[in-house]
Amino acid sequence: DAKTTQPPSMDCAEGRAANLPCNHSTISGNEYVYWYRQIHSQGPQYIIHGLKNNETNEMASLIITEDRKSSTLILPHATLRDTAVYYCIVRVANNYGQNFVFGPGTRLSVLP
Amino acid sequence: KAGVTQTPRYLIKTRGQQVTLSCSPISGHRSVSWYQQTPGQGLQFLFEYFSETQRNKGNFPGRFSGRQFSNSRSEMNVSTLELGDSALYLCASKGRLAGDIQYFGAGTRLSVL
Repeated sequence: DAKTTQPPSMDCAEGRAANLPCNHSTISGNEYVYWYRQIHSQGPQYIIHGLKNNETNEMASLIITEDRKSSTLILPHATLRDTAVYYCIVRVANNYGQNFVFGPGTRLSVLP
Repeated sequence: KAGVTQTPRYLIKTRGQQVTLSCSPISGHRSVSWYQQTPGQGLQFLFEYFSETQRNKGNFPGRFSGRQFSNSRSEMNVSTLELGDSALYLCASKGRLAGDIQYFGAGTRLSVL
């Protein structure tokens, strides 16, 4: 099972900031939080990742709470092309190692 | 730098047949993972290969197998296809950057009739 929970869907007006929350209350101290997005029927696209500090790149910002139990992905000026399913991921251990476990994600709709 | 390349992009097979999908990772990446995506189950991890060795696997039957070659290219094989194997199969490669970022290909869409 995924170690993260996200709202199933969100709307955002074009040009406004999109703030996508994620809960990962069982994350351990050395695990990163990763964000990917998937536009319909394409492969997931890496957006950003972080450990404990806030991170920013050309696509987005990632705000991680001090206790690391939740994070927020911020798309500062959403465009119609940002409409996608956004996945917040923490690696999960199985009998063989660790791997990404994708939950259902958040379906973001950017509205004109 | 070229991204992850998966071939073919689309494939139609019939029940009982077998299929082989191919994945070329980003140059320099030695880890390749495979995922299956269906509307009902979402994105599920199949297995990971590193330096020609399977080092992690998900919860799929033995009909699903894979291998990796010395140039890091990987193939996955599904034998005795079932209707439920219809899915988007995704490959992801990973380098040695901190944080284990995986980069995904566009996928192979397999339809089993």
